[in-house]
Amino acid sequence: EDQVTQSPEALRLQEGESSSLNCSYTVSGLRGLFWYRQDPGKGPEFLFTLYSAGEEKEKERLKATLTKKESFLHITAPKPEDSATYLCAVHIIGDFSGNTPLVFGKGTRLSVIA
Amino acid sequence: GAGVSQSPRYKVAKRGQDVALRCDPISGHVSLFWYQQALGQGPEFLTYFQNEAQLDKSGLPSDRFFAERPEGSVSTLKIQRTQQEDSAVYLCASSLAGGRYEQYFGPGTRLTVT
Repeated sequence: EDQVTQSPEALRLQEGESSSLNCSYTVSGLRGLFWYRQDPGKGPEFLFTLYSAGEEKEKERLKATLTKKESFLHITAPKPEDSATYLCAVHIIGDFSGNTPLVFGKGTRLSVIA
Repeated sequence: GAGVSQSPRYKVAKRGQDVALRCDPISGHVSLFWYQQALGQGPEFLTYFQNEAQLDKSGLPSDRFFAERPEGSVSTLKIQRTQQEDSAVYLCASSLAGGRYEQYFGPGTRLTVT
């Protein structure tokens, strides 16, 4: 069964205290790994897509990396506005049509305290 | 440009009532997905359309759930004879196509069944 596990469930950081969120996955065939940010009462907001092991992408204070078994979302010098739930999702290789839904983890709730 | 929109944003239904949730995807997006998100959980797949064709409905929890996209743009998720366990946020997402393209989410409809 395809599974996505995120850790920790919740993380509390002081402003400026860098850290990493983990997403480990067990899937039959990975087509892509996605990171989303979700604020309370809103839908997930797309951040990054990673397709192959060794790939890295950056956006402002966020950097996502991918290995064959897991992905990390590194947050450098976070600010209070980075507080949100960060969701990891995988897109698995599907049937002949190639169309499959995303399989999400439960997310990491990040709180950044000023 | 305009993102994915959903209506209503909030819906309260009495147990046994039928509800209809609407999704307007990003113009030109071929693929449309419905997800269900329980409190504190990641989104879970319900069903998927490519244009007007419903290619996967394996995530629909019961035959009380029905989705359509008759003209390949707007989609409606209908829940008949609502039950308390149907209470959740229903998210719609669209993408250019299945496969490697990221999915863009709407704000969701929060359904509460009393």
